[in-house]
Amino acid sequence: KNQVEQSPQSLIILEGKNCTLQCNYTVSPFSNLRWYKQDTGRGPVSLTIMTFSENTKSNGRYTATLDADTKQSSLHITASQLSDSASYICVKTRGAGSYQLTFGKGTKLSVIP
Amino acid sequence: NAGVTQTPKFQVLKTGQSMTLQCAQDMNHNSMYWYRQDPGMGLRLIYYSASEGTTDKGEVPNGYNVSRLNKREFSLRLESAAPSQTSVYFCAISEAVPNYGYTFGSGTRLTVV
Repeated sequence: KNQVEQSPQSLIILEGKNCTLQCNYTVSPFSNLRWYKQDTGRGPVSLTIMTFSENTKSNGRYTATLDADTKQSSLHITASQLSDSASYICVKTRGAGSYQLTFGKGTKLSVIP
Repeated sequence: NAGVTQTPKFQVLKTGQSMTLQCAQDMNHNSMYWYRQDPGMGLRLIYYSASEGTTDKGEVPNGYNVSRLNKREFSLRLESAAPSQTSVYFCAISEAVPNYGYTFGSGTRLTVV
């Protein structure tokens, strides 16, 4: 079973609207949690990295939150643009100093005019 | 993606053929990784090299070999390709400490027929 679960699997929103993507992880220990954006046919690009002690981090119109108690993270996109159309992947590091990441399956976001 | 160059971008192999996927970086990072991405699944780690001269198995190493040729280059070899190895392969790099963000290449799309 994948230890990182994302929802929804896909989402369609109108340009200019906000949206929130969800990520639940089930395995400890925890080192950090990351969000990546992957455009079609490209490699993932890092949006945010949060450690255990952080509960929010922003990168422009992207804001990630983390609740380590409930093992949940969310990625909020404000004032969406057509270029936000991509897959958004939640990634957990398996433990402090670990080189192994656990990737979620991603949420495919489509922003339409 | 800036800093990580993968070749080739596309490849079709017949079952049993061999090939080497190349990855080169110009960011002077110590750690390099090979991932595969399959439909409906998160990225999975094949092999990684924490530093020049070292390599370690990841989650799905069977059927693959790697070589860390120098600090810049990390290659992935399929000795006898199988249809199950049809996938998109990504090379990634990071600073020595894995809590830093990863930079991914743009991928190699491999089809084994």
